[in-house]
Amino acid sequence: EAGVTQSPTHLIKTRGQQATLRCSPISGHTSVYWYQQALGLGLQFLLWYDEGEERNRGNFPPRFSGRQFPNYSSELNVNALELEDSALYLCASSGRQYFGPGTRLTVT
Amino acid sequence: GQQLNQSPQSMFIQEGEDVSMNCTSSSIFNTWLWYKQDPGEGPVLLIALYKAGELTSNGRLTAQFGITRKDSFLNISASIPSDVGIYFCAGLVVPGRRALTFGSGTRLQVQP
Repeated sequence: EAGVTQSPTHLIKTRGQQATLRCSPISGHTSVYWYQQALGLGLQFLLWYDEGEERNRGNFPPRFSGRQFPNYSSELNVNALELEDSALYLCASSGRQYFGPGTRLTVT
Repeated sequence: GQQLNQSPQSMFIQEGEDVSMNCTSSSIFNTWLWYKQDPGEGPVLLIALYKAGELTSNGRLTAQFGITRKDSFLNISASIPSDVGIYFCAGLVVPGRRALTFGSGTRLQVQP
């Protein structure tokens, strides 16, 4: 059984640009959770999608958004990138929240 | 909002020593999870606890769900070099937002 996959592994953007991160959950899992982990810090909850709908979001500005597709994969979009958006973005699959390897976003 | 206080922040121990770390919360959780994260990778689930008072082991790891449901403990016995990493506790309120609230992590270093 394949685990949670994320792409790209690394992403470098400049301030003001938009970033798109992708996640595919474990087969059969319908929920996807997104977390942000700034360097040296714990994980902060961003967004939860289930059955194609956004179910909850953390304390992040609206420029963090996303969607879930019919095959339950998900996209996280970050608009108007700021330097402090540089972080490891982790996606977790439903159940006991198995995590993918993450996307390292660097904003310069 | 819910917050988890995890301690200690870091530990530097000798191989073979036992390790203890804990998390406390101002809120009640219905599930406690412990994860280990290696550099550049996502957290890996070590132990899941679902009932107050529950004591669960996974090899050399043992975790307990506190009776008050506001705390949890993780013990690692006879540490080895591959135990190096960051250990996170996480709490989950079900039903509710169903997203994990994470502690700030305990960085463990093991001297061979």
